[in-house]
Amino acid sequence: AQKVTQAQTEISVVEKEDVTLDCVYETRDTTYYLFWYKQPPSGELVFLIRRNSFDEQNEISGRYSWNFQKSTSSFNFTITASQVVDSAVYFCALSEANFGNEKLTFGTGTRLTIIP
Amino acid sequence: DSGVTQTPKHLITATGQRVTLRCSPRSGDLSVYWYQQSLDQGLQFLIQYYNGEERAKGNILERFSAQQFPDLHSELNLSSLELGDSALYFCASSVGPTGAEQFFGPGTRLTVL
Repeated sequence: AQKVTQAQTEISVVEKEDVTLDCVYETRDTTYYLFWYKQPPSGELVFLIRRNSFDEQNEISGRYSWNFQKSTSSFNFTITASQVVDSAVYFCALSEANFGNEKLTFGTGTRLTIIP
Repeated sequence: DSGVTQTPKHLITATGQRVTLRCSPRSGDLSVYWYQQSLDQGLQFLIQYYNGEERAKGNILERFSAQQFPDLHSELNLSSLELGDSALYFCASSVGPTGAEQFFGPGTRLTVL
């Protein structure tokens, strides 16, 4: 069975600090997909990134970067020079590539608060 | 704006009642997923449809049912409502069933009194 663990329930940092959100996953499949979503106070779920299991290249998008390491089953998310608008709950999610298991399995989320 | 629409945005009803939540996927997306978000259960997958056919079921109660229509919009029916059914219900869509990013609607907040 697939599982996603986000051990950090809440994190608070001062604006402009860097922050890393941890995500550890479990799956028996060799082909799978990892995602990060942001849920701001308004409540919608915003897609941030998708990664497949065969692509371990790190990715950078502006102030956001993601580190995927299959050896440790981790897919961590770093925000550089954090801003107040980054305050939200962030969810890591996993889906498998086999029929019937394509749903997203979410972690419990990390609530990030950026202090001005 | 993800392009996925959900109606209504808010719904307040009483125990024992039945409600219908509606979702329109992004243009071109064939897969629709329903998720429930509650404080105690987190984000849980309920059911998935692909091009009108049920593809997977998750933690969906027997009192709940769903369908996807020929125009690809989907409805989630919740009946014999209980207090514990109060939650945020999300619909998501993706272009295909496997591995594609899922785009979420704004959600329907259901309150059962």
